[in-house]
Amino acid sequence: DAGITQSPRHKVTETGTPVTLRCHQTENHRYMYWYRQDPGHGLRLIHYSYGVKDTDKGEVSDGYSVSRSKTEDFLLTLESATSSQTSVYFCAISDPTSGPYNEQFFGPGTRLTVL
Amino acid sequence: DAKTTQPNSMESNEEEPVHLPCNHSTISGTDYIHWYRQLPSQGPEYVIHGLTSNVNNRMASLAIAEDRKSSTLILHRATLRDAAVYYCISYRNQFYFGTGTSLTVIP
Repeated sequence: DAGITQSPRHKVTETGTPVTLRCHQTENHRYMYWYRQDPGHGLRLIHYSYGVKDTDKGEVSDGYSVSRSKTEDFLLTLESATSSQTSVYFCAISDPTSGPYNEQFFGPGTRLTVL
Repeated sequence: DAKTTQPNSMESNEEEPVHLPCNHSTISGTDYIHWYRQLPSQGPEYVIHGLTSNVNNRMASLAIAEDRKSSTLILHRATLRDAAVYYCISYRNQFYFGTGTSLTVIP
């Protein structure tokens, strides 16, 4: 299995509080991604990173920010959590040198509940 | 990136072949077709990918229509461990997962 960990694995927080989710990889893959998964929507891309300090927005980026100061870590921050951000969050990594098809490896997920 | 259409759910008997269809009628010539699956309470995992020709690996086969507007993931002998949600993705710049097909395997 690809070395991807997510922390915390579960979190309950209140509306209006800041939340940071961490994705850590030991594969030295350059690309990293954050997705959210909600019933009826499948997985949707929030933000992605093509390298240290190189990030961009995905399909559902409003209300989220990211940072990548090291190859191995990709942080997702909810500046002021809302109930609509209750979801399961998945981190993924990929190695662009492996080919143009860009196989992604996923972490175990973080279940976030915003009350 | 082209969107894909899949049936919401399918059933299969254990040890029988399963054909999971996917329509991607707006696919471009250089878009790869990916299949991922997600077991309960886990992140998605890669199954197979292809561009134009049919592909085989240890997990499955991928049959791509000649016009590339559809493809079929083939599990040759379904096992109970194959019960999962299967996602068909047309990839150019980003992965759009959609809601996938939930496969139930009947013992």
